[in-house]
Amino acid sequence: AQSVTQLDSHVSVSEGTPVLLRCNYSSSYSPSLFWYVQHPNKGLQLLLKYTSAATLVKGINGFEAEFKKSETSFHLTKPSAHMSDAAEYFCVVIVNQAGTALIFGKGTTLSVSS
Amino acid sequence: DAGVIQSPRHEVTEMGQEVTLRCKPISGHDYLFWYRQTMMRGLELLIYFNNNVPIDDSGMPEDRFSAKMPNASFSTLKIQPSEPRDSAVYFCAISTSLYNEQFFGPGTRLTVL
Repeated sequence: AQSVTQLDSHVSVSEGTPVLLRCNYSSSYSPSLFWYVQHPNKGLQLLLKYTSAATLVKGINGFEAEFKKSETSFHLTKPSAHMSDAAEYFCVVIVNQAGTALIFGKGTTLSVSS
Repeated sequence: DAGVIQSPRHEVTEMGQEVTLRCKPISGHDYLFWYRQTMMRGLELLIYFNNNVPIDDSGMPEDRFSAKMPNASFSTLKIQPSEPRDSAVYFCAISTSLYNEQFFGPGTRLTVL
């Protein structure tokens, strides 16, 4: 069965420090992986996606993620947090094999302090 | 948000009433998704359509929920009768493919008293 686990429900960082949001997935097949961001009272917006091309994926607003098949991970990083990065982040797995599974993680709330 | 219009933005109703949520996507996107978001359960996929045809409705919680897409530019999610536990934010999203970016609407915040 396919699943996605966001290891931290809440992450707090100071402005200017690195951000790490962790995501692990479980899939018997090659997945497509996405990170979305949701600002308060807004819909979700795509940050980046992995679809079996380069394992290091660059997204918007300075975010990037690395697909590590051996660790079944797709962690989201940013070298230097900005106050505007405070939001909720979702890791998403899509697997198309014997039926399509579209699975959202529970989300990680990122807080950024000045 | 500009590609997907959802209405109403807020809905407050009483238990037992029928609720209809609406989604108007821009053209050119063959896939339409309905999601529900709550603090307890997070974001849940309820149903999705491809070319106006429902493909997977396994996320629809009960028979009280139904969704239709009569044409490429309009979809509804209906709850009848509504219950307090249906209180949530309901999102509509569109995509050109199951594996491409989804564009989310602003959501409808439903409160059932």
